[in-house]
Amino acid sequence: GENVEQHPSTLSVQEGDSAVIKCTYSDSASNYFPWYKQELGKRPQLIIDIRSNVGEKKDQRIAVTLNKTAKHFSLHITETQPEDSAVYFCAASMLSGGYNKLIFGAGTRLAVHP
Amino acid sequence: SQTIHQWPATLVQPVGSPLSLECTVEGTSNPNLYWYRQAAGRGLQLLFYSVGIGQISSEVPQNLSASRPQDRQFILSSKKLLLSDSGFYLCAWSPPGTGANVLTFGAGSRLTVL
Repeated sequence: GENVEQHPSTLSVQEGDSAVIKCTYSDSASNYFPWYKQELGKRPQLIIDIRSNVGEKKDQRIAVTLNKTAKHFSLHITETQPEDSAVYFCAASMLSGGYNKLIFGAGTRLAVHP
Repeated sequence: SQTIHQWPATLVQPVGSPLSLECTVEGTSNPNLYWYRQAAGRGLQLLFYSVGIGQISSEVPQNLSASRPQDRQFILSSKKLLLSDSGFYLCAWSPPGTGANVLTFGAGSRLTVL
């Protein structure tokens, strides 16, 4: 069935270190993979996304990689800062009834310690 | 520019009472609309999505229902709430069409069922 698995569920790093979050998806037809950041009590907000015709995308300290063969994609945050602390969700598009919908992973709670 | 409004922001309801959460989108026509639920400390579960007026797809069996009486209005309802309905409900929209696209969330409605 439709499934997106996300690891780890929690991640604690020191300020300045890198953080990596990994996701796998089940539908080989998925072609859009966004990442959302949710601060406590707030709405999830898109931070970066990648489409299946690209293997890697970078935006300042944030990068996403995609391996379509293995059906997994990852979020990389370099030089982490305390304000990076939040819950991060990956998602994959899945076709259903002729329309695309996003299925989300369970989330990763990232804590960046000063 | 497009904006999404969702209300009420918080509500506390007794078990067995009805529910109505409303979401409207401005600045676009024929958007795809979604209702997600986030249980405490959990991921984002897709409940309903709609690609047009009167067109609702349900993702999980439950005592909730959704309606789309107007192009940019999406309503989540229940006739009788259960304790397990407590959670953070998020409305979202994406541009029209069948292609996978960016999802933008509303501010959310936090429901507590006592």
